[in-house]
Amino acid sequence: GAVVSQHPSRVICKSGTSVKIECRSLDFQATTMFWYRQFPKQSLMLMATSNEGSKATYEQGVEKDKFLINHASLTLSTLTVTSAHPEDSSFYICSAQVPGANVLTFGAGSRLTVL
Amino acid sequence: QQQVKQSPQSLIVQKGGISIINCAYENTAFDYFPWYQQFPGKGPALLIAIRPDVSEKKEGRFTISFNKSAKQFSLHIMDSQPGDSATYFCAAGDTDKLIFGTGTRLQVFP
Repeated sequence: GAVVSQHPSRVICKSGTSVKIECRSLDFQATTMFWYRQFPKQSLMLMATSNEGSKATYEQGVEKDKFLINHASLTLSTLTVTSAHPEDSSFYICSAQVPGANVLTFGAGSRLTVL
Repeated sequence: QQQVKQSPQSLIVQKGGISIINCAYENTAFDYFPWYQQFPGKGPALLIAIRPDVSEKKEGRFTISFNKSAKQFSLHIMDSQPGDSATYFCAAGDTDKLIFGTGTRLQVFP
């Protein structure tokens, strides 16, 4: 089946540093990937839609300069949290559309803790 | 409006019982209604999904009931097992964009 891999699964960083999270589609090509943020015991909030070869589309209220998204290839999208602060601590999850199957497959998530 | 309302927030069911989770949406343009299961520290996994052209879909112990006129859909877990204990999210939209419900934490006790 279609697999989406996220790396790292957990990351701890100091306030003010930048952190990059990778989302890879392992056995299919994904022209579109999505990035979500999830706070403890809460729902998934769509942050942005990542389109291969073009700029990401951000949801209202999401800072583009804070959360940099790059979708440089058909199998890789990256989310960079720039100048991270403790309030950026969260669970970040990506998903990708599986071509032809018309479904979304999610990665296992990346837990970011900013000290 | 783009909200998807989900209830209950939490659910406790005895092993072998039926777990029922309900969702309501507002946008009549939505045409894809999946349910996801999420275990702590993991990403959501697609459980079952339905399109608005059918009123019910069953896969094993999991059934989605869909009421297009009421803009509601529900997940039924038959013969609930302790291994079903997880958080369940409904979602609505299309595969380009999904709006998630607030989640239901299900606990199944032996």
